[in-house]
Amino acid sequence: NAGVTQTPKFRVLKTGQSMTLLCAQDMNHEYMYWYRQDPGMGLRLIHYSVGEGTTAKGEVPDGYNVSRLKKQNFLLGLESAAPSQTSVYFCASSYSSNRAPRLNTGELFFGEGSRLTVL
Amino acid sequence: SQQGEEDPQALSIQEGENATMNCSYKTSINNLQWYRQNSGRGLVHLILIRSNEREKHSGRLRVTLDTSKKSSSLLITASRAADTASYFCASRITGGGNKLTFGTGTQLKVEL
Repeated sequence: NAGVTQTPKFRVLKTGQSMTLLCAQDMNHEYMYWYRQDPGMGLRLIHYSVGEGTTAKGEVPDGYNVSRLKKQNFLLGLESAAPSQTSVYFCASSYSSNRAPRLNTGELFFGEGSRLTVL
Repeated sequence: SQQGEEDPQALSIQEGENATMNCSYKTSINNLQWYRQNSGRGLVHLILIRSNEREKHSGRLRVTLDTSKKSSSLLITASRAADTASYFCASRITGGGNKLTFGTGTQLKVEL
């Protein structure tokens, strides 16, 4: 069982370049999230999705776009990368809060992270 | 601003000792969760405590929640070198859907 898989694991970009991070989960989770992790800041929510075809802004959405065309995939895009977007990006997934209590413990399942450097 | 602040930022103990980490949050919550992150890896869920619970145990982990003080603590008993990691609290804010807001983390080092 792969769980949550992120690709690529590492990427170096030049300022102004674009790229897409892919997240895939095989647990049939309704909810998916993108967080960024910076030293001393903990994890901050960028965007999230509560189901296929839906997305919503999190705490720090500027400079990012997302799409959820399939239930198992959640894409994070950077249209014009900036040095401030140098970070480690984590995708996570979870069951919907509407699920039966025994299925929904409210926990998030995380990928291993994607380290992005913008020069 | 961060919903969760953790204390201490770093903690170094000897194997066999207990480790206590504290988390404070700002607004009403449905539940509070603790996660562990090994260096260079993703976060792994450890334990969840609901707002109507005061204490919960899981193996060597003990979590307490004081909603009147908006604080939680994680105790790891009889620590092992393998417990060396960063620990994060995450709160599910009331009315915030299934989103979690993470604290800044405590770096725990357990020395032999």
